Amino acid sequence: GESVGLHLPTLSVQEGDNSIINCAYSNSASDYFIWYKQESGKGPQFIIDIRSNMDKRQGQRVTVLLNKTVKHLSLQIAATQPGDSAVYFCAEASMEYGNKLVFGAGTILRVKS
Amino acid sequence: ETGVTQTPRHLVMGMTNKKSLKCEQHLGHNAMYWYKQSAKKPLELMFVYNFKEQTENNSVPSRFSPECPNSSHLFLHLHTLQPEDSALYLCASSQDIAGELFFGEGSRLTVL
Repeated sequence: GESVGLHLPTLSVQEGDNSIINCAYSNSASDYFIWYKQESGKGPQFIIDIRSNMDKRQGQRVTVLLNKTVKHLSLQIAATQPGDSAVYFCAEASMEYGNKLVFGAGTILRVKS
Repeated sequence: ETGVTQTPRHLVMGMTNKKSLKCEQHLGHNAMYWYKQSAKKPLELMFVYNFKEQTENNSVPSRFSPECPNSSHLFLHLHTLQPEDSALYLCASSQDIAGELFFGEGSRLTVL
């Protein structure tokens, strides 16, 4: 995997359990948020996004929750599978910064079989 | 397959070499980006091109020189790099400046 793994928080979960990955964002003016997944040796891949006029959005096995009061974003993965093992990044964007995505440092998710 | 292809996947170069990274997107997008991913930092935006015009240079040293001949191709020309430039360089594209980015698989660069 990437050497970034040595410096990132790690979440270890048992296969079949639910996972919750958290992200604190910095800009209260951010109005668009994305979660990306990066597997070893690959580029980041889009998982799910949410706009600031929503506080919850669901996808297939994933749910994103947004709490604007405390500037907190979370990604919930239901029935975690070995293929979910990866680094997960949140990203935020705001019109103030030209809608360009600003990425967080990432969290490693390790799924134990 | 994300529709964004980067070559080479791995590159080793000396500090006096000149090399280039290539990115091609098959998605019909208008914006293309270079990001740097290194061990101790979050993804760092380097350059943004929108409709072939550079719209952002995020204080990148001049030893990195981007080129965007058309909306589908993006290059990053490298010369007189430093060992601390060793990183994964990711290309991305998006339909417009705002919104979802589609990433390539990256070019792993090692500077000796």
